[in-house]
Amino acid sequence: DIQMTQSPSVLSASVGDRVTLNCKASQNINKYLNWYQQKLGEAPKLLIYNTNNLQTGIPSRFSGSGSGTDYTLTISSLQPEDVATYFCFQHNSWPTFGSGTKLEIK
Amino acid sequence: QVQLKESGPGLVQPSETLSLTCTVSGFSLTSYSVSWVRQPSGKGPEWMGRMWYDGDTAYNSALKSRLSISRDTSKNQVFLKMNSLQTDDTGTYYCTRDHYSSLDYWGQGVMVTVSS
Repeated sequence: DIQMTQSPSVLSASVGDRVTLNCKASQNINKYLNWYQQKLGEAPKLLIYNTNNLQTGIPSRFSGSGSGTDYTLTISSLQPEDVATYFCFQHNSWPTFGSGTKLEIK
Repeated sequence: QVQLKESGPGLVQPSETLSLTCTVSGFSLTSYSVSWVRQPSGKGPEWMGRMWYDGDTAYNSALKSRLSISRDTSKNQVFLKMNSLQTDDTGTYYCTRDHYSSLDYWGQGVMVTVSS
């Protein structure tokens, strides 16, 4: 199985900051990488699919990039409602999730 | 609009079988696949398996011996059965619409506790 490693596990930033979350796969996943946002007590919500495609209805401050084994989710200007845990997910082969980055406001 | 809703018992005895139902609306089970995902409290999600749009199934190798997914297209329902439950099977179970293996819509989830 492909292992997905997210870093950092916890990130604290200020409103308005540019924030970068990282996800590393144990092998090439050919850009089949999604990002999900999970707020407390809710189901995960799809933000970005296939590395850099913004899901309908998601604010443009979210963007994704990467290739091969290394991928990034960027929030261009952090908002209070972005407090959540973010998971990466690969679907190049048998699907696997990362363990998450918890994003907090300073 | 696309909706999925899980239903089933909240409490299961150790060694017993878990049976969950996912009822969908807003899309056809013969056009889209449905996956089951579970999440222990405070941990990352785990993909469990998939009912393909054509009726075929795929399972996480770690769960394959205990897991079965089926469907009733006339009722817009997908079913999960997993046997020999243990305490580490406790968590929230979600069904998701599976669009080209990308999980785009999720149900609200159902919390399952394995305890005597």
